[in-house]
Amino acid sequence: QVQLQESGPGLVKPSQTLSLTCAISGDGVSSNTDAWNWIRQSPSRGLEWLGRTYYRSKWFNDYAVSLKSRITITPDTSKNRFSLQLNSVTPEDTAIYFCARGPSYFDFWGQGILVTVSS
Amino acid sequence: DIQMTQSPSSLSASVGDRVTITCRASQTINVALNWYQQKPGKAPKLLIYAASGFRSGVPSRFSGSGSGTDFTLTITSLQPDDFATYYCQQSSITPLTFGQGTTLEI
Repeated sequence: QVQLQESGPGLVKPSQTLSLTCAISGDGVSSNTDAWNWIRQSPSRGLEWLGRTYYRSKWFNDYAVSLKSRITITPDTSKNRFSLQLNSVTPEDTAIYFCARGPSYFDFWGQGILVTVSS
Repeated sequence: DIQMTQSPSSLSASVGDRVTITCRASQTINVALNWYQQKPGKAPKLLIYAASGFRSGVPSRFSGSGSGTDFTLTITSLQPDDFATYYCQQSSITPLTFGQGTTLEI
């Protein structure tokens, strides 16, 4: 059974960088068939897909256009996990952040982590 | 981006009822449409993939249909555990996008 677990700080100051990690068990971040996604949820934005990383003989990333200048998703093959970095955060980035397995539909999700952007 | 519009936004029903939730895409997505159920404080749970694909372990009272731009999720004989929020999601092109949700209330 695939399990995903998010971790990281629950409070980030405005203008700083939000950094989260998703640990994978039961599957591999280097899988040739899966993709590893970050999704967030807030009352104002609903469910919002942020981006994904995946391996198809080499590593690829796709990002939401609205975040493209601020977001980086990075695989860590040594620890079988992947990470999210979101730069220059504002209170609008306050949300529950989920990691999920793709590539098209999301069949396994982490439990989510609430990240609040506040000074 | 492909916009996904669900209707209704909320729905009141009773145990034993049959309900239908609709999802419309702003452009054609073939059958690249997935449905999720979410309960408070939990992550969404995949119910249906590729418009009508049954996920193992999901009760057979859940079914999906549609193609192109119009899709439906049908729940026959509502059970108490089914009262939740339901989302559609298109997987045709990035950015992958979700509907705004339909809350099913008793």
